[in-house]
Amino acid sequence: GAVVSQHPSWVICKSGTSVKIECRSLDFQATTMFWYRQFPKQSLMLMATSNEGSKATYEQGVEKDKFLINHASLTLSTLTVTSAHPEDSSFYICSAKTSLPTLDSNVQETQYFGPGTRLLVL
Amino acid sequence: GQSLEQPSEVTAVEGAIVQINCTYQTSGFYGLSWYQQHDGGAPTFLSYNALDGLEETGRFSSFLSRSDSYGYLLLQELQMKDSASYFCAVLNSGAGSYQLTFGKGTKLSVIP
Repeated sequence: GAVVSQHPSWVICKSGTSVKIECRSLDFQATTMFWYRQFPKQSLMLMATSNEGSKATYEQGVEKDKFLINHASLTLSTLTVTSAHPEDSSFYICSAKTSLPTLDSNVQETQYFGPGTRLLVL
Repeated sequence: GQSLEQPSEVTAVEGAIVQINCTYQTSGFYGLSWYQQHDGGAPTFLSYNALDGLEETGRFSSFLSRSDSYGYLLLQELQMKDSASYFCAVLNSGAGSYQLTFGKGTKLSVIP
């Protein structure tokens, strides 16, 4: 199946620093990538949708100037948490998809998730 | 907006069958997906239903009723390794793209 990688797996940083997380689709071209955040014992919350070559679409309540997303190629999207603070500590997960869904088929329409990046801001 | 409802916790015995229900409210609905997530891990895809009916994949089956805005995940012959959180997620169109909205998850505990 399709593989999505994330780097780094773990980040521990001081408050005020910026952290960049990379998301790569290894064996397919991802027209759309998604960034999620998950706090302990909670569900995944979509932060933004990123289409290659265009600006990301952020969900309500997500600061675009704090969470910078770049989707420069069909296999790479990056999320930069700028001036990170302890409340930004979370599990950040990216996902990628290629095809458009249809209404008349159960053919696998899925997002392929990366392994996630744990961010701890001290 | 979208909303999904699923039970927060379920406990079942090894070897038994368990059904996790999911009801949703959304616009631009395309399909319902199910994901499994073990503690500390990323979600892994289990199933996707765009059509009404039951879709079987090994020990796991998923059902969708579009008219009732309802689906369920059925796990048979439960194994200890099935202990995990299970999320239903609605695939819908919005803001010019397609996106998944996740439910809050159901924590399944399989006991001997």
